[in-house]
Amino acid sequence: EPEVTQTPSHQVTQMGQEVILRCVPISNHLYFYWYRQILGQKVEFLVSFYNNEISEKSEIFDDQFSVERPDGSNFTLKIRSTKLEDSAMYFCATTSQPHQPQHFGDGTRLSIL
Amino acid sequence: DAKTTQPPSMDCAEGRAANLPCNHSTISGNEYVYWYRQIHSQGPQYIIHGLKNNETNEMASLIITEDRKSSTLILPHATLRDTAVYYCIVRARGGSNYKLTFGKGTLLTVNP
Repeated sequence: EPEVTQTPSHQVTQMGQEVILRCVPISNHLYFYWYRQILGQKVEFLVSFYNNEISEKSEIFDDQFSVERPDGSNFTLKIRSTKLEDSAMYFCATTSQPHQPQHFGDGTRLSIL
Repeated sequence: DAKTTQPPSMDCAEGRAANLPCNHSTISGNEYVYWYRQIHSQGPQYIIHGLKNNETNEMASLIITEDRKSSTLILPHATLRDTAVYYCIVRARGGSNYKLTFGKGTLLTVNP
């Protein structure tokens, strides 16, 4: 079964540094999402992306966050200046149509020191 | 999206059916019921979804009451690998609001 692939699986970064999390969607999927899950808490929506534009973003997704699809395959989430509270699991999800089920990757564990 | 209510935890014996309830009394006519699960340290996994008819796939069955105010996810023969947090999510089919809003879900523990 096709999978959503996320890299790296674990990223450790100093506070204030930039990080880029990468996602390779299922091949015919054009709708992309990022979610995060702080340890012990709920999965939270961050942003949705289609046709090289943000469709919707949450309050969490402030100016420190950005998304892009730089090469037509990878879908990336960038955090410009990380904070301790950015430590979480970050999940990418993709779908072929917005009303179809979203398929998730296994996440990147981001640890900010 | 309508709010859902699930029990925080349930136990099930291996090989038996697991029946996970969900209340969504404020669901509206264009909202689907989705079920996902999250096995420890993995990403959420899609299980099944439905509008008003009962649905079945290779993983589970979804029973939605006639008034659509509640539903039950059925794992017919639970295995130890089905131990996970199960999320019931209500989401509109149309419009621009395609995000999934996760609650705390039900921690299903399958016991040998």
